[in-house]
Amino acid sequence: AQTVTQSQPEMSVQEAETVTLSCTYDTSESDYYLFWYKQPPSRQMILVIRQEAYKQQNATENRFSVNFQKAAKSFSLKISDSQLGDAAMYFCAYRSTTGTASKLTFGTGTRLQVTL
Amino acid sequence: DAMVIQNPRYQVTQFGKPVTLSCSQTLNHNVMYWYQQKSSQAPKLLFHYYDKDFNNEADTPDNFQSRRPNTSFCFLDIRSPGLGDAAMYLCATSRGGGGSYEQYFGPGTRLTVT
Repeated sequence: AQTVTQSQPEMSVQEAETVTLSCTYDTSESDYYLFWYKQPPSRQMILVIRQEAYKQQNATENRFSVNFQKAAKSFSLKISDSQLGDAAMYFCAYRSTTGTASKLTFGTGTRLQVTL
Repeated sequence: DAMVIQNPRYQVTQFGKPVTLSCSQTLNHNVMYWYQQKSSQAPKLLFHYYDKDFNNEADTPDNFQSRRPNTSFCFLDIRSPGLGDAAMYLCATSRGGGGSYEQYFGPGTRLTVT
């Protein structure tokens, strides 16, 4: 079974600064998908960014980018130019390529605070 | 444009009194999921439907059941809620098949058991 570990329960960043959230995972599979989801307080969870393991290039979505290190099984999220609206719980998630449903294994989450 | 809708947003039930949570989607996705999320924890998958096929997670208690009468709707039934079942219940949907399809989440129903 796959496991996902987020070792930072809480992080804090000043507005306009950059922050990196860590995620490691354990799997014996060679092909899989990785995701970062954001869950703002009292609001629904939304996808931030995704990465296909077969792609060497790191995914980017505007201010959000990942550092995917397949050999190290590491998948960190970098948020540049942090905004107050980035304050949320961030979950790293793993999806196997086997099976036809997009079942996700989540990490325990990192709560990000953004300060002025 | 609500895509995954959950009702009610807040539900209070008594210990042992059956309760049903509902989820509907406008995305026409094949797959619907139910998660349980306790405070400051990761969502835990309870089960999912791929079309009409029900898939239970091995560690989901028998107390939890689900129904999917059509593509758009899915229900979570808790037959005899205990205090430990108090949590946020999240519904999500996704396309089926292979691919890095994202899951779309509803806002959740917060269940309180008194």
